[in-house]
Formats: sequence, structure tokens, C-alpha cells
Amino acid sequence: EPEVTQTPSHQVTQMGQEVILRCVPISNHLYFYWYRQILGQKVEFLVSFYNNEISEKSEIFDDQFSVERPDGSNFTLKIRSTKLEDSAMYFCASRGAKGNTEAFFGQGTRLTVV
Amino acid sequence: QKEVEQNSGPLSVPEGAIASLNCTYSDRVSQSFFWYRQYSGKSPELIMSIYSNGDKEDGRFTAQLNKASQYVSLLIRDSQPSDSATYLCAVILRAGNMLTFGGGTRLMVKP
Repeated sequence: EPEVTQTPSHQVTQMGQEVILRCVPISNHLYFYWYRQILGQKVEFLVSFYNNEISEKSEIFDDQFSVERPDGSNFTLKIRSTKLEDSAMYFCASRGAKGNTEAFFGQGTRLTVV
Repeated sequence: QKEVEQNSGPLSVPEGAIASLNCTYSDRVSQSFFWYRQYSGKSPELIMSIYSNGDKEDGRFTAQLNKASQYVSLLIRDSQPSDSATYLCAVILRAGNMLTFGGGTRLMVKP
């Protein structure tokens, strides 16, 4: 069964460092998402990506964040200068087409900023 | 008003009982509704999607949608201890493609 895969599963980084979280969406999907979940809190939308550009983003997704689909398979989230409050689980998701289709999530990357 | 609301729980039911989980949403033009299950420390796992008013059944799960009341629910029949998890309601609000999640309801099924 096709699945969304994320790497690494856990990343520890020092405050101020750049991190790149990687995702391989399901191969024939067209919409890609990043969500985050701070421990004990709700799943929060960061950004959606379609047709090689950002289609929606939340207030959380500020200038420190960027996304890229460099090679037609990987979908990355970069945080330029990490803060302690960026510590969270980051989930990638993909969806087939606009309309009534379902989004599937990767297993997540736990980011710990120290 | 929160866009997608759920009672945080915990909802405690005995094994074999029916668990009823509820969700309300703010935007009348929403068209797509989903239930995800999330075990502690894991990612959301899709259980059901529903797009039309009425009931949709899949095994022990039934999703119910009432667009007039802006209400979607999930029934779990014959609850098992392995169903103990947080259940997340997610809605595609407005005409976009972004999933908005509720805060989740923690379900505990006691043997």
C-alpha cells in the first residue's frame, strides 16, 4: 500500500541552526502539506503546496519557514533559524486531487531544539 | 469561535459498548469531513471520510454528517481496548484544500 514517508524520524538541533525535514509523498498525489503538533496540543496547519507553489499558509509559516519540491518526488520543509518553540512533531501529508479525496499522513519527524 | 470543535474528553466506555464522538464546524460551505485516529506519539491515521448528509458505515465505524446543523459524528460499535486513542475530526473549510483539525477527543475503552 502506498504511503507517505518522512525522514528523519527524530532530529535534535541547536537553537539558531537550520533544519530540513524531508518527505516523500504518495507518488500520484498532487497536494502536499506540512502540519505540526506541539506535545499535548492540536495538529496545526503550516502550509499546502500544489503545482509547484504554495497554495495556502498559516500565520505560523513565517519567513523562517520554506518548502520545496526539488526533484518531483521529495517535499521538504526548511526552518532557517530554529527556536526552542519550534520543538514539535512535524507531519507531512499528501492528497490525490481537489475535491473529495483523502489526505494521508507520514509517520512524522520529532524535532527537538535545544 | 473555533473553526472545528471537539470535546477533549476523556470519553470512557466499557468494552463492547458504543462510543459516540462529536464534532462541530463553523463554516457552512465546508464539503469534506474526515475522522482520524491518533495513538500517543504517532501520526494521524485516516478512519473515515464523509461528504454527503447522512450515515456512512465501514465495519465497526459509522460517520454521520448533518450539514444543516454543522455537525459530524463518529460511532464506534463493539468498542475494543485497542480503540483507545485520540480521535481527530478534520474539515476542509471554505473552498480551499487545507485540512483544519479539531483538538481531538481522547477515548478510553475499559476492559
